[in-house]
Amino acid sequence: QQPVQSPQAVILREGEDAVINCSSSKALYSVHWYRQKHGEAPIFLMILLKGGEQKGHDKISASFNEKKQQSSLYLTASQLSYSGTYFCGTETGMGSGTYKYIFGTGTRLKVLA
Amino acid sequence: KAGVTQTPRYLIKTRGQQVTLSCSPISGHRSVSWYQQTPGQGLQFLFEYFSETQRNKGNFPGRFSGRQFSNSRSEMNVSTLELGDSALYLCASSEATGPQYFGPGTRLLVL
Repeated sequence: QQPVQSPQAVILREGEDAVINCSSSKALYSVHWYRQKHGEAPIFLMILLKGGEQKGHDKISASFNEKKQQSSLYLTASQLSYSGTYFCGTETGMGSGTYKYIFGTGTRLKVLA
Repeated sequence: KAGVTQTPRYLIKTRGQQVTLSCSPISGHRSVSWYQQTPGQGLQFLFEYFSETQRNKGNFPGRFSGRQFSNSRSEMNVSTLELGDSALYLCASSEATGPQYFGPGTRLLVL
């Protein structure tokens, strides 16, 4: 039931690109992406609604394929500050009385100088 | 607007004791969710309260309970503490649905 993220962990050099995927078995209303730095709470990055591509801050963007119930987070020209654990958050059951918010399994990303 | 606040920030208890954690959501937010996070682990969902009612519940034992007050503030209680309850407890608020905004967390150590 919990969305599965891939890869589980990734190590990059500064300037390299990365893609993090979030896959759900349930129909999704929206997907949100968060980043959690070590010792801190997760911070909301961006929201994706059905049919939309949202460009976030810095060089981070994401897409949402509602047919496949998948979302991808794209980190371009990664910076040291991108290091952390990324979570997708998903909304299901909107408007049906069965609303749930479920976080994905998480992806640990480390950017090296 | 002020962010989500959690008290206390750090707590040390012994096995068998009980503990109450508090969370004040962002003004206007009516949903509060609680999560347990252990080192290197993901966000384990405890429960969510919306307008003073438990809307969703995770797979934690009955020792974990919560409530929400009319001002949307929420408390979480853990009774008969076990060593394995040592963790970071995070609360997050949202308007009703939508993105969640996290507090700084309460670090609980059970000895």
